[in-house]
Order: sequence, then C-alpha cells, then structure tokens
Amino acid sequence: QQPVQSPQAVILREGEDAVINCSSSKALYSVHWYRQKHGEAPVFLMILLKGGEQKGHEKISASFNEKKQQSSLYLTASQLSYSGTYFCGTEMSGGSNYKLTFGKGTLLTVNP
Amino acid sequence: EAGVTQSPTHLIKTRGQQATLRCSPISGHTSVYWYQQALGLGLQFLLWYDEGEERNRGNFPPRFSGRQFPNYSSELNVNALELEDSALYLCASSLYVAGGVHEQYFGPGTRLTVT
Repeated sequence: QQPVQSPQAVILREGEDAVINCSSSKALYSVHWYRQKHGEAPVFLMILLKGGEQKGHEKISASFNEKKQQSSLYLTASQLSYSGTYFCGTEMSGGSNYKLTFGKGTLLTVNP
Repeated sequence: EAGVTQSPTHLIKTRGQQATLRCSPISGHTSVYWYQQALGLGLQFLLWYDEGEERNRGNFPPRFSGRQFPNYSSELNVNALELEDSALYLCASSLYVAGGVHEQYFGPGTRLTVT
C-alpha cells in the first residue's frame, strides 16, 4: 500500500520552515526519507525505526508516530539547497521483506 | 569512493523489443535494488537482489527480470516492451543488515523510451 504524502507541493522563501507528512494505512516497521533534485538521483536523508531509533542527517529532523502510522519531516530555516522532491519510503512486516514502498513525493521549492 | 553507476544513460527501443540495463553497486555493498520512476508515480519497487539471489520483487509482470553477478553488479531485463514501460529506471545499492532495509545509495538512472 503506497503511503500518502502531503502536501503535494510547497513553495517557501529562504529561512521559512516546512513540514512534510507521510501516512500509511498499514503498521510500519520503518520510514525512510529521500530527497531528489531535478535530474539527479535520490539522496538518503533519514531512517526512523519503530521504537524511536533515528539514523540520518544532522540538520534535518523527523518524527514517527507509531500509533498514527505517520511520519513528519521538519525542514527549518530552509535554504535554497533544500529545493527538490522529497519521498518517504515505508517498510512493513517487521523488516523482514526488505521492500520500501515510496509515496508520490512532495515538491519543495525554496525561493530567495 | 565510486558511487553507484548505471549504463546506458539513455535507451530508445521499439515496442516488443527487449531492453537490458546494467548497474554496478558501491564497493562492499551486496544488495542491489531496482526501481521504476514514471512521471507522477514516485519510485516503484521492482526487484531486490542480494548475494546473487532474487530476494523480493514488486508488483510487476514476469517480463521484468534480472540477475546479480558474483561481483554484485546487476542487470535488469525488460522483455516485450510496452509503451508504458517508458520511465527512469533507478538502481540502488546497500549493505545487507539483518532487520530491515538499510540506507540506499542510488545511481543516476537509465532513461528508457519505448516508441
């Protein structure tokens, strides 16, 4: 089941904050966040594991609400370099099938 | 350290033909994942290989297949190409760590166009 990301697109001015949400109807084992700039490969940002462990980028924070099966990515004091499409990928089944199901992405544009 | 490489960069085929896409993982990574990225659909999981074996596949027909070689490089084959197979095909490599998907490193992709 593909996770639902919101919003689909957001436009910011440099220095503003943004929150991107990722929701699943299934119980999740982990949530992964990637950023893809136009014409480039996706780049790993963060993994959030069931139970609260986080691994990833120091300057980007995220949360994982296990009760709601929802993750949120927090981008604070945005920079021009934050522009790109953000994808969440969800893993189910206790981490045994090693399959990520990605959402359709959130396009973030940061303007000067 | 060299990143994930993919070849070719672009591939143009005619409907009904076969396409072969190649991927070389980061040194030391044993897992290779293939994804299809069609416009507006995000990343769709195709296949996962580890230690030469197919470990999992996504909801794609059997004409999407592949293999992983002893040096951990991988090949994706798409038979009987259809127009809707036109997409960017991304390969990602990862360490195999028990307990779930680890951080994935993506290659630049192969743009497949079916006419």
